[in-house]
Amino acid sequence: DQQVKQNSPSLSVQEGRISILNCDYTNSMFDYFLWYKKYPAEGPTFLISISSIKDKNEDGRFTVFLNKSAKHLSLHIVPSQPGDSAVYFCAASARVDSSYKLIFGSGTRLLVRP
Amino acid sequence: NAGVTQTPKFRILKIGQSMTLQCTQDMNHNYMYWYRQDPGMGLKLIYYSVGAGITDKGEVPNGYNVSRSTTEDFPLRLELAAPSQTSVYFCASSPSLNYGYTFGSGTRLTVV
Repeated sequence: DQQVKQNSPSLSVQEGRISILNCDYTNSMFDYFLWYKKYPAEGPTFLISISSIKDKNEDGRFTVFLNKSAKHLSLHIVPSQPGDSAVYFCAASARVDSSYKLIFGSGTRLLVRP
Repeated sequence: NAGVTQTPKFRILKIGQSMTLQCTQDMNHNYMYWYRQDPGMGLKLIYYSVGAGITDKGEVPNGYNVSRSTTEDFPLRLELAAPSQTSVYFCASSPSLNYGYTFGSGTRLTVV
């Protein structure tokens, strides 16, 4: 039972355009969401996060949107750059689980074409 | 500042062999985690620790054991390697509950 789903395994975008990566979750107790970026042969690196009390968080070219009623979040990258080409993982956690374990989606591979 | 260091980077094991994947962090983080990533799948939590001397099971603990005798080290032990344990293993740490993890670069394990 996948609690965090990334239904698009891959996405290809032209340099300079917007990249939109989507993530859906099923557990209504999730209250903290994160995006990680992973290059080949490296560990994931933290990109941006959002708490359930917000619906938007922005950091430079990266913005995460949260729609709690739809149990959906998205990561927008504007403008996209070739260096953004990587696998992006969505992750979620629930405060009621005191260990605050992260549940990860299966990832979306983004390719930004020059 | 090395962050999270995992060794070895690659390993091939025969079925039934045992090994320990090492993980060390120098950030004085209380929380440490072991994940595995299978092809086309997300990261699955194997074990985690909220401090020295405290460990607990994650989603997929069967076939693994951990210990946390110090804040810095969180080794993962495979006692009887099976082909189903072929995967990439990531160790991570975090300073508190509500904070992004720092991951190591991974250990690619193949069991043949």
